[in-house]
Amino acid sequence: DQQVKQNSPSLSVQEGRISILNCDYTNSMFDYFLWYKKYPAEGPTFLISISSIKDKNEDGRFTVFLNKSAKHLSLHIVPSQPGDSAVYFCAASAITNAGKSTFGDGTTLTVKP
Amino acid sequence: GAGVSQSPSNKVTEKGKDVELRCDPISGHTALYWYRQSLGQGLEFLIYFQGNSAPDKSGLPSDRFSAERTGGSVSTLTIQRTQQEDSAVYLCASSFLAGGEQYFGPGTRLTVT
Repeated sequence: DQQVKQNSPSLSVQEGRISILNCDYTNSMFDYFLWYKKYPAEGPTFLISISSIKDKNEDGRFTVFLNKSAKHLSLHIVPSQPGDSAVYFCAASAITNAGKSTFGDGTTLTVKP
Repeated sequence: GAGVSQSPSNKVTEKGKDVELRCDPISGHTALYWYRQSLGQGLEFLIYFQGNSAPDKSGLPSDRFSAERTGGSVSTLTIQRTQQEDSAVYLCASSFLAGGEQYFGPGTRLTVT
């Protein structure tokens, strides 16, 4: 059973528009969520995180929204830039085992100039 | 500053041979993680170390896999009697504390022929 799901394998948007990447989870014990970005042949890099005590966290062009009742989070990138083209992973962990993060399969974002 | 480094970057081995993958975490980071990413898949948690505590080995897929972390720093992931299904990119990450944002190395691409 996949506890963290990113149902869209790919997303294509025009430069300057908003990119919305979605992530669903099934484990109600998850209380900390992170987004990572990965370029080819590199390791993932941390983007933004959110704790379950919040429903929104913003950092520059990146905003993460958390809907606990729906067990859903989303990453908004606005405005999108061609350099944002990468694979985006969402990850979740529970305070009872903070070191064990569960990752989704990733969504490949392509931002067209 | 130095990030997480991994060696080798690529490893081709014959089925049945043992391999050792090395990870040098960021200095001062107490937590160290190993993941595996198979083609087109997300990151599969393997094991994590937190300080001097016993590691969480719950993600290791079989007893052919083992990992050590010496002196709270460098870690080695060992795969014995490699199989073709072990072919993947093995990623190491570290964080200041367990559950915090993780800093990833570039990975080791393992190919078992």
